[in-house]
Parts: sequence; structure tokens; C-alpha cells
Amino acid sequence: KQEVTQIPAALSVPEGENLVLNCSFTDSAIYNLQWFRQDPGKGLTSLLLIQSSQREQTSGRLNASLDKSSGRSTLYIAASQPGDSATYLCAVRRADFGNEKLTFGTGTRLTIIP
Amino acid sequence: DTGVSQNPRHKITKRGQNVTFRCDPISEHNRLYWYRQTLGQGPEFLTYFQNEAQLEKSRLLSDRFSAERPKGSFSTLEIQRTEQGDSAMYLCASSLEQGASPLHFGNGTRLTVT
Repeated sequence: KQEVTQIPAALSVPEGENLVLNCSFTDSAIYNLQWFRQDPGKGLTSLLLIQSSQREQTSGRLNASLDKSSGRSTLYIAASQPGDSATYLCAVRRADFGNEKLTFGTGTRLTIIP
Repeated sequence: DTGVSQNPRHKITKRGQNVTFRCDPISEHNRLYWYRQTLGQGPEFLTYFQNEAQLEKSRLLSDRFSAERPKGSFSTLEIQRTEQGDSAMYLCASSLEQGASPLHFGNGTRLTVT
């Protein structure tokens, strides 16, 4: 059974700092990994999707890396801003044909201090 | 706004009542997913449709839960004889058929069973 872990559960950093969020998964047979952002009381916004054959994806100040063999992914946020405050979730999709289920971690709640 | 739309945003019901939620996906997306999220946890997969066909169901989806997607457009999720343990945020997502397509989530329906 796939298990996804995100540590730490909460993180506070001063505005302007660069930071890294971590995600680990137990079964390396994944099809892809997605990072999402969730604001309080809202749905999830997709940030980055990395296919299993890829090492990283970038979008603006965000960079996600994937090391499938070790079961790890990181989300790097450069020059953090107060608007980045949210809960960040990673999710993996297994490589089984026809398996559309995403398994989520419990998230890291990020607070950027102005 | 061409995002995923969910109604209602909030639903308070008494134990034992039936409730129905609606999800309108992004129009060109033929895949539709239902997830459930409780406080402090990541979303858990419930079920998924490709067009009007329900292709996968989680063991979390007890006999009291039923989902439909008539004509492959909007979807409904019905919970019969609600229990307090059903209190959660119910999230709908949609995506294109290609495996590398990210999921786009709605803002969810928050259910409170009293």
C-alpha cells in the first residue's frame, strides 16, 4: 500500500527566504507526482506535475524535483512572499494501468512572516 | 469562470437524512473524480468516471454512497442515511484523458452531520 509522508507538518519562515518542502513515498512504482496548494476552506490548486521519467519541473518561483528510486520529492520556493502562505500537498499516482487514484500526503502548512 | 464548480458550498444535515452534491467539471475534461478530505488530512480517493462510466470505486465508498455522471457531463454524489462520520469536505476534480494531465479541483462541499 502506497504511503505518502510530508515533513514538517508546519513551517514558518520570514518573507524573502528560499525554502524546501519534502515529500516521501513508500512505493517507487509511480506514474507521476503532483504538488498542490490549498488555501483554508478551499479546494486544491495544481502547482506542478512531474512524470516518473522526469527529474524536475519549474514554474516561476517554484521548482519540484523527483528522485523516484529513493521515493522522494522536494518543492523549492524561491524568494517567499506572504501570498505563498497555504498548505502544500503532494500526491502520487501509481503506475498500474488504469489506476487513476492519487494518494496524498497530509500536507505542510506554510506561513510566510512579513 | 471555467473552473470546476461544486454546489452547495456548505451543507448541514441531521443524522439519517439523505444529501446530494453536484459537480460541474471543466467542459472539455472527460475524467471526473470524487475525493473526501477531513480536517488535517490529505484528500482520500472515493471514485472516478471516464465520461459516463464509473471505472473505479474506493472501499471507502460504502453502500450508502452513490455517484452518477449521466451523459458524461456533471456528476452527483449522494449519501443516504448520513452518519456523523460522514462530516468532511467532499472535493470534485476533473482532468483530460491523457495520463500526464493534472487534476483541477473545485472548492468542495463541506458537509456537517449533526
